[in-house]
Amino acid sequence: IAGITQAPTSQILAAGRRMTLRCTQDMRHNAMYWYRQDLGLGLRLIHYSNTAGTTGKGEVPDGYSVSRANTDDFPLTLASAVPSQTSVYFCASSEQGETGELFFGEGSRLTVL
Amino acid sequence: GQNIDQPTEMTATEGAIVQINCTYQTSGFNGLFWYQQHAGEAPTFLSYNVLDGLEEKGRFSSFLSRSKGYSYLLLKELQMKDSASYLCAVRDSNYKLSFGAGTTVTVRA
Repeated sequence: IAGITQAPTSQILAAGRRMTLRCTQDMRHNAMYWYRQDLGLGLRLIHYSNTAGTTGKGEVPDGYSVSRANTDDFPLTLASAVPSQTSVYFCASSEQGETGELFFGEGSRLTVL
Repeated sequence: GQNIDQPTEMTATEGAIVQINCTYQTSGFNGLFWYQQHAGEAPTFLSYNVLDGLEEKGRFSSFLSRSKGYSYLLLKELQMKDSASYLCAVRDSNYKLSFGAGTTVTVRA
């Protein structure tokens, strides 16, 4: 089934540890995004990539990095996790055409202790 | 940037109609989206408006007024399965999508 796959689905992490959330899409979409979702704050954009080889900062990029080596993969790395990064992380992709709706992965629930 | 406001919660009865309003302020408007999100699940696309007017899709309709920075999502013939969070999102000229905090709709029997 075509779509977006995120891994892991859930992770508990000690503060200070490095963590990479993986995201792979098989729809050949140009654009990919990482959002975090927190109660009462909604979805906030962390980083995005309009095409392979390019990335950009979103609304809340501090403490996170991304890379886009190819069309399909868009990993999100927390270099040194802090408790405020406890959240649900959603990866999404879109074809930047007329509608350009986002397709979301199932989310990765991260708890930093 | 975007400033997107929508009510936090709404409650309605099964079979009724509910209207969720969304107001926004944006630099470089390039479309407005509505997404549905059930608890513990990913958001799913409901509707898209880029021109003024009403877009109808079955029991769901979405309206946009660009001059007023205003949209609404209309849910008709409410069903229990419509209990979810509804997210208003605005796309800018760089194709970045910014979301409101979401409106939780509870449908009661």
